[in-house]
Order: sequence, then structure tokens, then C-alpha cells
Amino acid sequence: AQSVTQLGSHVSVSEGALVLLRCNYSSSVPPYLFWYVQYPNQGLQLLLKYTTGATLVKGINGFEAEFKKSETSFHLTKPSAHMSDAAEYFCAALGNDYKLSFGAGTTVTVRA
Amino acid sequence: DAGVIQSPRHEVTEMGQEVTLRCKPISGHDYLFWYRQTMMRGLELLIYFNNNVPIDDSGMPEDRFSAKMPNASFSTLKIQPSEPRDSAVYFCASSSINTEAFFGQGTRLTVV
Repeated sequence: AQSVTQLGSHVSVSEGALVLLRCNYSSSVPPYLFWYVQYPNQGLQLLLKYTTGATLVKGINGFEAEFKKSETSFHLTKPSAHMSDAAEYFCAALGNDYKLSFGAGTTVTVRA
Repeated sequence: DAGVIQSPRHEVTEMGQEVTLRCKPISGHDYLFWYRQTMMRGLELLIYFNNNVPIDDSGMPEDRFSAKMPNASFSTLKIQPSEPRDSAVYFCASSSINTEAFFGQGTRLTVV
């Protein structure tokens, strides 16, 4: 089964600053990887996904993530934070057992 | 498609009562997941189905919890009897093989 670790439960950034959320997975076989965003009182919405092919994946709202097999990482970035990016972000991995496992989540706050 | 539909959106019940949460997955999806979200434990996978068959229920916390999927368009999660510590947001998600999971809006359960 997959294990997903998100480093940092809270991240605070200034508006316009870089957003960097870290995610590592544990697996001998690269899984399919996802980043989801959750706004208050909402369900989870897909930001982006990595399945195969290009390791730099672009998603919605200006986010992107890079799959690095050597580091078993899938960090999420956005060059310039916007107030609307304040939310909780979850990294997830889909293993060979088709079980979708989530990290603990990272709450992002954006300072004006 | 209207997406994954969960009902009710909110449920308040007294300790000891039976609670049934409902989910209608996206048509054509053959995987269905039930998650529980709390502040303390984050997103926990309770059980998931493939083609209406339960594949892994190791996340179901106790025998008080049960889940069924009588057909491809409907699933239930039942708690009997309910306890205050069951208070959480319960999410249903569905997917096709090797694709992202689509989440419902969740059911906020409060057991008093």
C-alpha cells in the first residue's frame, strides 16, 4: 500500500510569493499521483495529476508539480500566490491495489 | 453528469441511533470510495468497492460501521449504533481505472 507524506501542516505565504507544498510517497513502483484542493465546507477538487509521460505536470489555477522518481517526490508549486489560493491541499497516490491514499494535508494561508 | 451525489449534506442524530449515508457515483465509474475526515485524523479511507464488490474494508473502524453497494449507481454507509466520536465529514468518491477520483460534497455528521 502507498504511504503519502506531506511536509508541513501549515504554510503561510505573502500574496505574490512562491507557493511550495511538499509531498513524498513510499513505493517501489511509481504510483499515479494527484494533488487535490479543498475549500471550506467543500469536497475535494483535482488540481493536477501525474500518470505517465512528462514529469512536469500543469494543473488548474496556475499550479504545477514535478514528479521526481529518484526523490520519490511530487511537490506542488505556484509562482505567485493569490488570496483565492487559501485552502487545504492534499497529495494522494494510487497504487497497484487501486487504493487511493492521501497525505495529512497542508493548509495554506495567504497574507495580503 | 451531475458528479458524485451524497445525501444528506448534514445529519444531526442522537447517540445510539442508526445513521445511513448515501452516495450516487458518476455513471460509468467502477470504483467507489468512502472516506471520513476529521481534524484529528485527516482523511481516512474506510472502504472501497470495485464493480460493486468490497475490495478493502480494513479502514472501517468498528463493526458498528457497514457499507453496501447493491448496484453500480448506489452505495450506503451505515453506522449502528452511532456514537459522538463518529462525528465527522464523510466523503464518497468514484473513479474509473487509473483515473482521478471525483468527490462528492460530503455529509457532515454530528452525533450528540
